[in-house]
Amino acid sequence: DTGVSQDPRHKITKRGQNVTFRCDPISEHNRLYWYRQTLGQGPEFLTYFQNEAQLEKSRLLSDRFSAERPKGSFSTLEIQRTEQGDSAMYLCASSRLGEKLFFGSGTQLSVL
Amino acid sequence: DAKTTQPTSMDCAEGRAANLPCNHSTISGNEYVYWYRQIHSQGPQYIIHGLKNNETNEMASLIITEDRKSSTLILPHATLRDTAVYYCIVRSGAGSYQLTFGKGTKLSVIP
Repeated sequence: DTGVSQDPRHKITKRGQNVTFRCDPISEHNRLYWYRQTLGQGPEFLTYFQNEAQLEKSRLLSDRFSAERPKGSFSTLEIQRTEQGDSAMYLCASSRLGEKLFFGSGTQLSVL
Repeated sequence: DAKTTQPTSMDCAEGRAANLPCNHSTISGNEYVYWYRQIHSQGPQYIIHGLKNNETNEMASLIITEDRKSSTLILPHATLRDTAVYYCIVRSGAGSYQLTFGKGTKLSVIP
């Protein structure tokens, strides 16, 4: 497999701007997950998809965050009106149903 | 999912076995023990998982106590590339989608 791919690797933005990240999962994986990781902490679950359906959202996912997975392939995570507290590593992972997760290298977001 | 407790940090000499402990005293019967590691600036990487029996793969061995309240991840011959944060996670076997990460153990392999 070619692994989980995330783009961009780094994003610097000004407070109040919108940002969008992309995740390309491993092709035969029907589950896709988004996690967020701040410095010194373990990753925290945000949301997940099974095929194109978004089945769960964490309370961490405020209404400024939206995730999509059109056609059950790649996924996008958009943050509107970014705040300094949104600065973090955003990790995407994929898996087959009930199997281990494969993570991408993440998108490091810095909000100035 | 059950909560886990791990030491904050550990050191290991290069070439020696690294033994990383994890307590999960509230684990229930259908919950698996998973180990992931995260090398600096990368996403977490799956290492191994088990339910009751000890497990071994090309990366590591997992020893689970008989009462399942604790486990140990063993890297038999640690190398500098094994320096990472190691996460012990207890996950329901019912296809649970969430992994609840703690802060993990920072393993430093020393030359």
